[in-house]
Amino acid sequence: KAGVTQTPRYLIKTRGQQVTLSCSPISGHRSVSWYQQTPGQGLQFLFEYFSETQRNKGNFPGRFSGRQFSNSRSEMNVSTLELGDSALYLCASSFDGSYGYTFGSGTRLTVV
Amino acid sequence: KNEVEQSPQNLTAQEGEFITINCSYSVGISALHWLQQHPGGGIVSLFMLSSGKKKHGRLIATINIQEKHSSLHITASHPRDSAVYICAVSPSGGGATNKLIFGTGTLLAVQP
Repeated sequence: KAGVTQTPRYLIKTRGQQVTLSCSPISGHRSVSWYQQTPGQGLQFLFEYFSETQRNKGNFPGRFSGRQFSNSRSEMNVSTLELGDSALYLCASSFDGSYGYTFGSGTRLTVV
Repeated sequence: KNEVEQSPQNLTAQEGEFITINCSYSVGISALHWLQQHPGGGIVSLFMLSSGKKKHGRLIATINIQEKHSSLHITASHPRDSAVYICAVSPSGGGATNKLIFGTGTLLAVQP
């Protein structure tokens, strides 16, 4: 079966711009969670969506937002980009959050 | 103090050696995960466990809930095992969610 697909793989943006990242989960998985990975902070939880509703949110500013569509695909948006937003953004899908996760390959965002 | 601590941070081994990576956590959990991340970013979920021991090929994961400690063992290590190994926990309470808390990872290098 197809894995978790994240697009794009690489992205370069300028400070102040906004960006939208996409995550298509494994077919049948209803939970999609997003994570940020930086050399300084490691992996940190951003938010989780389940059946189109945000079920949990990490400690990130309101510039970070997301949504989930009826087909379970999810997008995350970062507005007013800052240099510190440069990171690898990973999503993971799960049937309902009670079982194991499958991670995507990530989107590497560079803010210049 | 981080809620999930891993040791060692860096580990160099010779091919064939038995390897142990440790993880301690300070929060109540519903499950503990061991993840593998190769250069380039992609994360693979190795184990999800809530009690006892699991084995997959040359990998063994154990957890002691009372001690709040888990270990990942690699038997007969091989250079292709070189990667970052990350311990993550799913906090208990609040229903099933994907809000993982991550350790800082152990960078393993297996030399031929």
